[in-house]
Amino acid sequence: SQQGEEDPQALSIQEGENATMNCSYKTSINNLQWYRQNSGRGLVHLILIRSNEREKHSGRLRVTLDTSKKSSSLLITASRAADTASYFCATPAVSGGYNKLIFGAGTRLAVHP
Amino acid sequence: DAGVIQSPRHEVTEMGQEVTLRCKPISGHNSLFWYRQTMMRGLELLIYFNNNVPIDDSGMPEDRFSAKMPNASFSTLKIQPSEPRDSAVYFCASSPRTSPYNEQFFGPGTRLTVL
Repeated sequence: SQQGEEDPQALSIQEGENATMNCSYKTSINNLQWYRQNSGRGLVHLILIRSNEREKHSGRLRVTLDTSKKSSSLLITASRAADTASYFCATPAVSGGYNKLIFGAGTRLAVHP
Repeated sequence: DAGVIQSPRHEVTEMGQEVTLRCKPISGHNSLFWYRQTMMRGLELLIYFNNNVPIDDSGMPEDRFSAKMPNASFSTLKIQPSEPRDSAVYFCASSPRTSPYNEQFFGPGTRLTVL
């Protein structure tokens, strides 16, 4: 089963509003990453938060991590139409002594002008 | 750097035909990942390589799928014979090291349609 699961599955907002997406995971992690996927494109890394961090900012992005609840949230402030995309959380998993990422199902965000 | 390069970008083929997808990772990256994305199943990791060696192929759906990485700058994913249920977008991604803190860099994907 997937390690990370996003909530909600879809989100529709107006330009200027804030968008919040949540991710829950099942096992202990040392970091959690968020990726964005525009329609018809590959995923693009947005931000990484380590397990010893509670909050991290990057431009209009704010990520929180609560390891006790095994959850993370991605907040996009003052959203723009260009933020319309799918957003995925990803957590590392060890396999064969190496690290791979397990992606959640994603949140589809639509920002309307 | 041009980023991860995948070819072809689109492939339409008939059931039973062999399909070969190609990937050139970012120079200097030593980990390479093949993913498949569908509406029903989301993003699935098929196989990944470290220093050209397959590490985990547990996501490869069946024997019809095979992947190779003959050198650090090239990998292929082959489906033989192809079936309509293989229709999906296939992504290749690379990462600079095996650290869990490294991000993955994705290619643009190959959209495969099997008729």
